[in-house]
Amino acid sequence: DAGVIQSPRHEVTEMGQEVTLRCKPISGHNSLFWYRQTMMRGLELLIYFNNNVPIDDSGMPEDRFSAKMPNASFSTLKIQPSEPRDSAVYFCASSLLQGDTQYFGPGTRLTVL
Amino acid sequence: RKEVEQDPGPFNVPEGATVAFNCTYSNSASQSFFWYRQDCRKEPKLLMSVYSSGNEDGRFTAQLNRASQYISLLIRDSKLSDSATYLCVVNGGGSYIPTFGRGTSLIVHP
Repeated sequence: DAGVIQSPRHEVTEMGQEVTLRCKPISGHNSLFWYRQTMMRGLELLIYFNNNVPIDDSGMPEDRFSAKMPNASFSTLKIQPSEPRDSAVYFCASSLLQGDTQYFGPGTRLTVL
Repeated sequence: RKEVEQDPGPFNVPEGATVAFNCTYSNSASQSFFWYRQDCRKEPKLLMSVYSSGNEDGRFTAQLNRASQYISLLIRDSKLSDSATYLCVVNGGGSYIPTFGRGTSLIVHP
């Protein structure tokens, strides 16, 4: 079975543009996580879904960030408008059950100029 | 106090050395614990889960101390390939919200 799939792998955009990151979790996994990683702040949980329902979004930085999970096999993280401080690696991860091992995708490296 | 704390290191050790990392957590209701390994510019990958009774996987041993609220990772006979950042993860509360530590950097040299 394929692991967690993320797209794009790299994204370079200009300040003010909309950015959409995509994630396909491992088939059958019920929990999905979006993380952001920077040198300054480490790995931060942005939002966590269980059975497609957002359980905790307290890590979402501000209203410019939104995440959706319309079905069990797809999720998006959108930033609108993007700012240079959003530059980071964004990881998606999934787990079979809550509290279980998380499997990470390869990440999307975002650069906002 | 941060929820999950790790010594960032780096720990610089020779091949064959034994090295230990600790990770402290603040939420006494935490329910599951893991160690992940992250190589440079790669995603984190599970190294091992941490069980209440302690567990071993080859050269790696993980321990949980609920009373003092910390988990530990011991690596014996270090290899060059063990060089990486080691992240602890604590899942807390009824919603199993995961919190990662900032990671401990390990450099194993010849």
